[in-house]
Amino acid sequence: DAGVTQSPTHLIKTRGQQVTLRCSPKSGHDTVSWYQQALGQGPQFIFQYYEEEERQRGNFPDRFSGHQFPNYSSELNVNALLLGDSALYLCASSHPGDEQFFGPGTRLTVL
Amino acid sequence: DQQVKQNSPSLSVQEGRISILNCDYTNSMFDYFLWYKKYPAEGPTFLISISSIKDKNEDGRFTVFLNKSAKHLSLHIVPSQPGDSAVYFCAASALITEYGNKLVFGAGTILRVKS
Repeated sequence: DAGVTQSPTHLIKTRGQQVTLRCSPKSGHDTVSWYQQALGQGPQFIFQYYEEEERQRGNFPDRFSGHQFPNYSSELNVNALLLGDSALYLCASSHPGDEQFFGPGTRLTVL
Repeated sequence: DQQVKQNSPSLSVQEGRISILNCDYTNSMFDYFLWYKKYPAEGPTFLISISSIKDKNEDGRFTVFLNKSAKHLSLHIVPSQPGDSAVYFCAASALITEYGNKLVFGAGTILRVKS
């Protein structure tokens, strides 16, 4: 049973560029949440997708956007990258209301 | 505004002894609390949870205690094992919706279990 997978593992970008991160949920899960974990901090909720729509959103600017596909996989897009966007980006999947299972994350470095 | 706080950045415990990790929260709307464990290069792994209608939940070596009046929860690991060495995150959520929980995390506590 495949767990949550994320790609790529690591990514290096420069300021002002755009990035797309990908997530495949655990088999049978239909809800995907994205979190940002800065160094030395806990994960911070970005947004959650269910039925291909953004259902909840955390305190992140519009530069952060996402998408969920019919197969429940999801993308996180970040435009106009800033140095402060450097972080570990975690994807979590679940059934609505159930425990969230996390992927290994994508480490984004913005230079 | 940090709604979930883990005030101890690290904890060192001898193998076989009890590990106690603490967490405080400020939002009275939180009604569900979780502990996650994270190893390097892996995502957080769910450990144990507790609903606000309970004050204790036990799963094997892991017990979570909730004190609603103090807005405080703790995770007890007995006995501690070297494999328990990891970062432990406390998380909370409010208004469980049909679309799932938005989790608010603390900053984490690094637990080192010495053999």
